[in-house]
Formats: sequence, C-alpha cells, structure tokens
Amino acid sequence: QVQLQESGPGLVKPSETLSLTCAVSGYSISSGYYWGWIRQPPGKGLEWIGSIYHSGSTYYNPSLKSRVTISVDTSKNQFSLKLSSVTAADTAVYYCARPTPDGSGRIFDYWGQGTLVTVSS
Amino acid sequence: AIRMTQSPSSLSASTGDRVTITCRASQGISSYLAWYQQKPGKAPKLLIYAASTLQSGVPSRFSGSGSGTDFTLTISCLQSEDFATYYCQQYYSYPVTFGGGTKVEIK
Repeated sequence: QVQLQESGPGLVKPSETLSLTCAVSGYSISSGYYWGWIRQPPGKGLEWIGSIYHSGSTYYNPSLKSRVTISVDTSKNQFSLKLSSVTAADTAVYYCARPTPDGSGRIFDYWGQGTLVTVSS
Repeated sequence: AIRMTQSPSSLSASTGDRVTITCRASQGISSYLAWYQQKPGKAPKLLIYAASTLQSGVPSRFSGSGSGTDFTLTISCLQSEDFATYYCQQYYSYPVTFGGGTKVEIK
C-alpha cells in the first residue's frame, strides 16, 4: 500500500522560505512517476505547484516557478518542496501525491493527508 | 494556462437524487479530464479520469462524459456519503489546472 506523509513547519514568517518533505512508503520513488505537490488555501480550491521525476526532472506551475524548488532524495525515498519569499497568500494545506499509472503523470490517486502551513509573523 | 470553470459552485440535493455537475475548459482538452471528490479535512479522492473511466473501487453510480471543452459528472442516485465537494482537473497540458469546485450539500 502506497503511503505519503508530509512533514515540515506549520508556521512560517513572511518573506522566509517554506520547506516541506514528503516521505513515501510502500513504493520506491526510483521506480518511476512524476511525484507532485498540490496546495489548497483554506476554504478554496486546489492548485498544482509542481512535479518531479526520480531523475530530478521537474515541471513547475508558471505562477510559482520563480519561487519554487522541488527536489528528490531517492536514498531516503522522499521528495521535498521549497517555496521562497512567502506571503499570507501562501497559507494553505500542502499535499504531496503520486500520479496514476496511466502514463500522463498528471492525475493523482495517492495523496498524503496534507499539512497546513500558515504564513504569519 | 487552461482555465477550468465548474457550475454550479454549490447545490442542494436529497438522498436518491440524480445530480449533474458541469466543467468547461477554456480550450479543447480532448478527454484529458479527471474528477475528484473531497470531504472536509481530507485529501481529494480520484473518481474518474479520461473523462469517463471510473477509477478502481469507485461506485458505478458515478459517471463522467464529455470531450473537447464540455464535461459532466453525474451521480445517478445520491447517497449520504456523496455529500462533498467535487473538482474537475485538466491534464491535457502543464500546468495542470483544477476547477473551482462544486459543493454538494444536503437539502
């Protein structure tokens, strides 16, 4: 059974960098897939942040691209998100997810439980 | 980016009702359309992909249709566990984008 678990600080100060890690169990990241990060501001809809392949190849949402870095650590079977220069608008529940095996790499069937990150001084 | 517009944004229905949610893409996306269900405090759950293919384990009362720019999600006989928010997502091109959501509430 594939499981994903997000971890990281729940409170980040404005202008600082948000850092989250997604630990994967039940499946080796090295086996494939573009692993993704998606966020959801409180009471609002879903926004795809970006995705990373085990090789390190990435796709980012252009709306966040200048501030986002996604990396992968296959030795620890985890991948990470960094979002710089955060503002209150970055307050959201952040999810990590694995896409379906359909080949597109762009729809997600396994999700972490999500972690709320609040940007506030 | 491709814009996804869902309607209605919310609806009230009773158990046993037939419910239809629509999703429109700002440009043609063929059948690269997925539907998710999300309950409060939970991660989204994939229901349908390729516009009409039911994800494994999803009840057959859920169905999807459409191609190009116009899509629908239908729940044929609403059950109590179906009260949730539903999102469409296009995966025709990056960035993948989601609709604004449709909240299905109890009448």
